[in-house]
Amino acid sequence: SQQGEEDPQALSIQEGENATMNCSYKTSINNLQWYRQNSGRGLVHLILIRSNEREKHSGRLRVTLDTSKKSSSLLITASRAADTASYFCVYGSARQLTFGSGTQLTVLP
Amino acid sequence: SQTIHQWPATLVQPVGSPLSLECTVEGTSNPNLYWYRQAAGRGLQLLFYSVGIGQISSEVPQNLSASRPQDRQFILSSKKLLLSDSGFYLCAWSQMVSVVGSKLFFGSGTQLSVL
Repeated sequence: SQQGEEDPQALSIQEGENATMNCSYKTSINNLQWYRQNSGRGLVHLILIRSNEREKHSGRLRVTLDTSKKSSSLLITASRAADTASYFCVYGSARQLTFGSGTQLTVLP
Repeated sequence: SQTIHQWPATLVQPVGSPLSLECTVEGTSNPNLYWYRQAAGRGLQLLFYSVGIGQISSEVPQNLSASRPQDRQFILSSKKLLLSDSGFYLCAWSQMVSVVGSKLFFGSGTQLSVL
């Protein structure tokens, strides 16, 4: 399956700043998910946004979805050092889930 | 609550040796089970997918195999490892009811180094 594209590949910010990561995909989707992965660990589900939703919030996370542009963004507000991790967008059906290439976020204390 | 166990966490094996990675899920029944491989700095590649005992779908041709001897047990195996089998292997599960829109729950991963 084709890999989704995430932008930027790496992002370094100061604690307290906002972090924005973008994901572009190539197929039609029913939903799109965002996962987080700490170095050397498994992925943890963050949020799922359905194709009929444009924006979704969960705590300090805000996800937007633009199906006309086939793109999604993840915003982390008031970042903390503990937010340092890789973030992946994921879309597709169970047997054809496509994972983005990931954005490595580093939050400096 | 549901938990997923994957072991070992790290493994160093010589080329040509066999492999067995195990994954078990607790607190749910009839899960979809998955094996993924992740190359360094990359996204995940689906290797195997199972919807039930003895039912395995292979997504990528390779010298690896998978088995599901019990409802909540998923095993990744190889008879003879290759250098190219090195990577980070992740087991995951999702609810059976709806595969579209289901969250994946991941194990903590196995870092395999084939030397």
